[in-house]
Formats: sequence, structure tokens, C-alpha cells
Amino acid sequence: AQSVTQLGSHVSVSEGALVLLRCNYSSSVPPYLFWYVQYPNQGLQLLLKYTTGATLVKGINGFEAEFKKSETSFHLTKPSAHMSDAAEYFCAVIPSGGYNKLIFGAGTRLAVHP
Amino acid sequence: DTAVSQTPKYLVTQMGNDKSIKCEQNLGHDTMYWYKQDSKKFLKIMFSYNNKELIINETVPNRFSPKSPDKAHLNLHINSLELGDSAVYFCASSPTGNGANVLTFGAGSRLTVL
Repeated sequence: AQSVTQLGSHVSVSEGALVLLRCNYSSSVPPYLFWYVQYPNQGLQLLLKYTTGATLVKGINGFEAEFKKSETSFHLTKPSAHMSDAAEYFCAVIPSGGYNKLIFGAGTRLAVHP
Repeated sequence: DTAVSQTPKYLVTQMGNDKSIKCEQNLGHDTMYWYKQDSKKFLKIMFSYNNKELIINETVPNRFSPKSPDKAHLNLHINSLELGDSAVYFCASSPTGNGANVLTFGAGSRLTVL
């Protein structure tokens, strides 16, 4: 069965520092890949997605992610963290032929300190 | 106008009761979903409907019954509530065709069973 692993349930960075949130998926056939963000007491908002084409995808709020098939990874990065980036981040996949069945990782809580 | 709206936002009830959560989307999407987020923030799909037809039915107790009166609404009814049903339930929707794999989520309904 398809699974998504997010390394690190909590990540803490200083304001202005690089943000790196890790995501690996298990599949021999590359799925569609997504990053969603959840701010406290809110629903999930799409940050970015990869389906086909360019492997480096840019999303909202300065985030980007790179699909690396050889590493089965889709890590999320942002060059400079803002306090407003503090939230829960979820990596997710839709397996090929998967009826839009979004399968989520366990989430990574990003804390940004001054 | 809220794209995907859920009511109620908060629900506190006793074990054994029956309760419903309603979801409406005004995006014109054909597919709707229910996801459950547990206390550890883990998100798991429960059900999906496409044009009022059930297309995804995960391993969920049959105390949970989704109902889709039309493609803009997907309600979740829960019978004989148990402590373990306490969670945040998210409704989502997606279009067909271009963008079919992008889900728009509601703000969530927090259910607490005492």
C-alpha cells in the first residue's frame, strides 16, 4: 500500500533561516505529490503540487518542492522563514489510478522563533 | 462566500448519542470527501462521493453513514457515538477534469464525545 513518511514531527527554525521539511513516499510508480499547510484551528490549504513536467515546483508564500524520483522524495523548502510560517505541514500523495484518494503523511509542525 | 462550509464547527455530545455534520460546497465540484483527523493530527480518508455516488468507502464502522442529497452536499451521520469518535472531521471537494486532483477543504468540525 502507498505510504508517506515525513521525517521529523517537529521542526524549529529561526526567523530568516532556511526551512526544510522532508517527505518520502513509497511507490514504484510516481504518484501525484502535494504539500498542504494547516494553520491553528483551520482547514488545510494547498501549498503546491507535482503531477508531471518540471520537477521543481513553486507554491504560495515562497515555498517550493523538488520531486526526486531516484530518492522517492518531495522535500519542501523555503529560503527564509517568517513568523507567519508557523503551522502544521502535510505531505500527501494520490496513487496512480487512485480516485483522488489523498493519502497524508503524519505531518510536521514548524515552529519559527525570533 | 465560503467555498466549502461545514456545520457545526464544534460539537460536544455524550456517548451513545447520534449526531450529524453537514457540508456544502459552492464551487460546482462533482466530488466530495470526508476526512478524519485524530488527536495526533493524522488525516485519513473516510468516504468520497462523485455526483451522489459513493466511490470510496474506507474501513469505517457502519455507525458512520454518509449521505449526499445532491452533488453540492455531503452530510455525515454518526450513530451510537463512542469516545474514539472524538476527532476533527474535514469535508473537501474537487472538480473533474482539469484540477481534479486538487482538494479544497472546509474548516473542520471538532467532535468531542464525553
